[in-house]
Amino acid sequence: GAGVSQTPSNKVTEKGKYVELRCDPISGHTALYWYRQSLGQGPEFLIYFQGTGAADDSGLPNDRFFAVRPEGSVSTLKIQRTERGDSAVYLCASSAALNTEAFFGQGTRLTVV
Amino acid sequence: AQRVTQPEKLLSVFKGAPVELKCNYSYSGSPELFWYVQYSRQRLQLLLRHISRESIKGFTADLNKGETSFHLKKPFAQEEDSAMYYCALGGDKIIFGKGTRLHILP
Repeated sequence: GAGVSQTPSNKVTEKGKYVELRCDPISGHTALYWYRQSLGQGPEFLIYFQGTGAADDSGLPNDRFFAVRPEGSVSTLKIQRTERGDSAVYLCASSAALNTEAFFGQGTRLTVV
Repeated sequence: AQRVTQPEKLLSVFKGAPVELKCNYSYSGSPELFWYVQYSRQRLQLLLRHISRESIKGFTADLNKGETSFHLKKPFAQEEDSAMYYCALGGDKIIFGKGTRLHILP
């Protein structure tokens, strides 16, 4: 079956622009996670959804970052006024429930120039 | 607060030698511990979790609540084990350590 899909796989944007990153989780998975991974670092937690609601958004670095999951399936991570420091690989994962195996997408590599 | 520590960034081991990747955690509740692996050009995937108590690809990990550790072990390293290994802690959410690159020398 289909795994977690993230689009686009690569995104280059200019400083100050707005970007949206999309995640299609595995069908039926209620939990969805966003992480950010910089070079040489582990995945850094950003936000976690249980169904449609953000159960924990404590990892979002500032108010330029926002994520939604309106129908409890697809999620979009939105970054306003991008900065060069936002450049990283953004990972999405889904799981059947909290603290069960998380299945990862291939990531979106965001480069802000 | 949840925290995961992997003290080694890089571990180089000769083929056939034993491997131990260290992981320590901090969490006030009942922890769920995982090891994830990322092979070159592949996505992050689950290797094993403490609750299943399985051996996957010859790897095992035992949860030691007294030492708050979940070290990953394999008695005889193989070249195909070369990868990035991440320890993860599930509690209020799943968080990851910074990872250890395992390099198996021929």
